Amino acid sequence: SQQGEEDPQALSIQEGENATMNCSYKTSINNLQWYRQNSGRGLVHLILIRSNEREKHSGRLRVTLDTSKKSSSLLITASRAADTASYFCATALDSNYQLIWGAGTKLIIKP
Amino acid sequence: EPEVTQTPSHQVTQMGQEVILRCVPISNHLYFYWYRQILGQKVEFLVSFYNNEISEKSEIFDDQFSVERPDGSNFTLKIRSTKLEDSAMYFCASSGEGAGPYNEQFFGPGTRLTVL
Repeated sequence: SQQGEEDPQALSIQEGENATMNCSYKTSINNLQWYRQNSGRGLVHLILIRSNEREKHSGRLRVTLDTSKKSSSLLITASRAADTASYFCATALDSNYQLIWGAGTKLIIKP
Repeated sequence: EPEVTQTPSHQVTQMGQEVILRCVPISNHLYFYWYRQILGQKVEFLVSFYNNEISEKSEIFDDQFSVERPDGSNFTLKIRSTKLEDSAMYFCASSGEGAGPYNEQFFGPGTRLTVL
């Protein structure tokens, strides 16, 4: 079974609109991290939210975590063309060191 | 701003050949990782390394794989006899102290390995 799953798989919106991506997971976590990947490039860390936190902000990014529902959301406000990328959630468990990744949401911002 | 670097950016090799992928983690980080991403698929964990030894490895990380920190700055991934299915983007990552591995992991730009 997969630990992290994002939805939607793809999202296309107009520049200036808000984009919301969701991530669900199956087992208890230590923290959940969101990353961005531009096509064929490296993974850029966006935000880490710990299991005892409910919401975090960083610039235009807002992440929420609901441990009772085992889900997280990433909101990008006032989207820009440069936000076009794939967004991944990755979970860190208490029991080990690895990050377990979802399949990602491909976000396209139309100018 | 400190960053993780990886070389080469692209490696093409023949099946059965050995390859070494190199990484320079952020200098004061203590935890090091290798992940891979087959084209169009999820990122997969390979191995974590702390205090000069492997702390955890996945099923993918079989006897064909090894890691080394030869000189206190480089962190290498060796694939002894490459297979076609090893073709992927390989990412190195590092994280700092404090909460140990439960901090942000910072990724390098990746090495694209193509096995022919």
